[in-house]
Amino acid sequence: DAGVIQSPRHEVTEMGQEVTLRCKPISGHDYLFWYRQTMMRGLELLIYFNNNVPIDDSGMPEDRFSAKMPNASFSTLKIQPSEPRDSAVYFCASSREGLNTGELFFGEGSRLTVL
Amino acid sequence: KNEVEQSPQNLTAQEGEFITINCSYSVGISALHWLQQHPGGGIVSLFMLSSGKKKHGRLIATINIQEKHSSLHITASHPRDSAVYICAVRSLPNFGNEKLTFGTGTRLTIIP
Repeated sequence: DAGVIQSPRHEVTEMGQEVTLRCKPISGHDYLFWYRQTMMRGLELLIYFNNNVPIDDSGMPEDRFSAKMPNASFSTLKIQPSEPRDSAVYFCASSREGLNTGELFFGEGSRLTVL
Repeated sequence: KNEVEQSPQNLTAQEGEFITINCSYSVGISALHWLQQHPGGGIVSLFMLSSGKKKHGRLIATINIQEKHSSLHITASHPRDSAVYICAVRSLPNFGNEKLTFGTGTRLTIIP
């Protein structure tokens, strides 16, 4: 399997622009997670899906952030409008089962810079 | 106080040394994950454990649920082990809760 695939790897945009990050999880994995990593706050969960259904979005910073999973092989994280404080590395990860028994598989991350 | 504390924050050692990284947490958990983040930024899962001890090659992870503490050991350390090691816990309750709380990481540098 190709692993978790994220795109783009790097994105530089101007404040106010819309940003869309994409993720293809490993086939057969029922859970998909979006994490954000910053120097100040480390890794934080933004949202996770189980069987394409959003389960916990309490980590989504505000209404500017939205995430969708239209099918088992694709998810998006959208920021509109983007702000400089959104600059971070965004990781998508998937797991075959819940994290009390299952291993997490991470994508390479999308590094976002908002000017 | 953070729910997950790691020590040390930074560790520099000579090649071949035995390495120990510690993780303490303050909540009841159902599982603990050890992750490795290489300088290029990619994150790899090393271990998921809920009790006892696991071993993969030169890496050993232990957990003491009663003491709320886990350790990651590296035997015969090598420069390629240089990375940030991150501890993450899955808190109770056990059902419908896949949120991991992450430690701030331990930056390990192994000098040849």
